[in-house]
Amino acid sequence: DGGITQSPKYLFRKEGQNVTLSCEQNLNHDAMYWYRQDPGQGLRLIYYSQIVNDFQKGDIAEGYSVSREKKESFPLTVTSAQKNPTAFYLCASSMFGGYNEKLFFGSGTQLSVL
Amino acid sequence: SQQGEEDPQALSIQEGENATMNCSYKTSINNLQWYRQNSGRGLVHLILIRSNEREKHSGRLRVTLDTSKKSSSLLITASRAADTASYFCATAPNTGNQFYFGTGTSLTVIP
Repeated sequence: DGGITQSPKYLFRKEGQNVTLSCEQNLNHDAMYWYRQDPGQGLRLIYYSQIVNDFQKGDIAEGYSVSREKKESFPLTVTSAQKNPTAFYLCASSMFGGYNEKLFFGSGTQLSVL
Repeated sequence: SQQGEEDPQALSIQEGENATMNCSYKTSINNLQWYRQNSGRGLVHLILIRSNEREKHSGRLRVTLDTSKKSSSLLITASRAADTASYFCATAPNTGNQFYFGTGTSLTVIP
């Protein structure tokens, strides 16, 4: 999966709990992204970051938070405010975040609610 | 929503046949990309076509783009069982700096 590592592969969340999904890349890419994938809906952007210590909300950021303290790492926290968190979460990166670049994806984390 | 739509949602063909899937989108774009996803895995980039290009080839893949109709097609020739996957288009609109993914076509190639 192109040098992007997501963990864990499967994650279960109890009601009211925050959980954090890990994403690490060794591609030396500036830009990183988090997408949510639900069946039949394609991918929707949660957050993206083009530089360390800076990130922007995507279309569905409510109930999620991110940090970008290191270039290699872009963890996603699913907070208790996200009422429907069950989905497949994909992390991606690109070299500079330009629109003519291709995205490299991790292998995903399946989050389910207990 | 700026998500594109893909057609058909599902496609089943015999090995050796060609597979064609279509993507329609809503806004003016800088480029359109196609990605492949095996079940339970991440997406893999296949090909990028710019808004000023009409056709592009890569191995057994042929992509066309019609900006007047806001549509693109992906043709996979001489399909193989290993081509079984979901295929997504992604557009980069003229405004903003994020990609918008289509809903995907699930392709099954029967050996």
